[in-house]
Amino acid sequence: KAGVTQTPRYLIKTRGQQVTLSCSPISGHRSVSWYQQTPGQGLQFLFEYFSETQRNKGNFPGRFSGRQFSNSRSEMNVSTLELGDSALYLCASSFGTSGGALNEQFFGPGTRLTVL
Amino acid sequence: KNQVEQSPQSLIILEGKNCTLQCNYTVSPFSNLRWYKQDTGRGPVSLTIMTFSENTKSNGRYTATLDADTKQSSLHITASQLSDSASYICVVSEGRTGGFKTIFGAGTRLFVKA
Repeated sequence: KAGVTQTPRYLIKTRGQQVTLSCSPISGHRSVSWYQQTPGQGLQFLFEYFSETQRNKGNFPGRFSGRQFSNSRSEMNVSTLELGDSALYLCASSFGTSGGALNEQFFGPGTRLTVL
Repeated sequence: KNQVEQSPQSLIILEGKNCTLQCNYTVSPFSNLRWYKQDTGRGPVSLTIMTFSENTKSNGRYTATLDADTKQSSLHITASQLSDSASYICVVSEGRTGGFKTIFGAGTRLFVKA
């Protein structure tokens, strides 16, 4: 079956702009988690959605927001972009809530965001 | 504070050799520990998942061990191949009422040379 897909794969924006990233989970998966990955900080958890509800949230400012639709597809939005937001944004899907031992997470290829 | 620390930060080995990556954690209460492999520019791929009661799990040439008493895990790679060059990330999930919290290690960057 098809894996996790993310669009777009690459994105260049300027400071102050806003951006929306999209993630389509594996069919049947209800949980979508978002992560930011930078060389200096590694993988950092942004938030998790399960059945259209935000279940967990990491320590990111309110400029980072997300939502999940009834078909489990998820979008992440970053407003008022800053240079430090340049990163690889990964989404991962799982059948149940992520972190559970029986709920293996499958990652998408990521969206590479560059803020100029 | 819940933390996951990996060592070494980076490692260079020759093709065909074995290597062992370390992961120490202070996460409590512990739920499960996962090892991921991440190729450059790609998303992580799960290698193993272990719960409290498991102390060894293999996936081909990858063998993970877990000592829940000392809160240590290792990932052993046997007969390394050039394609093993990647980052290896240890992830520990904290079990708590209402859900799980996952803590990521910074990863070990492995370079396999011909």
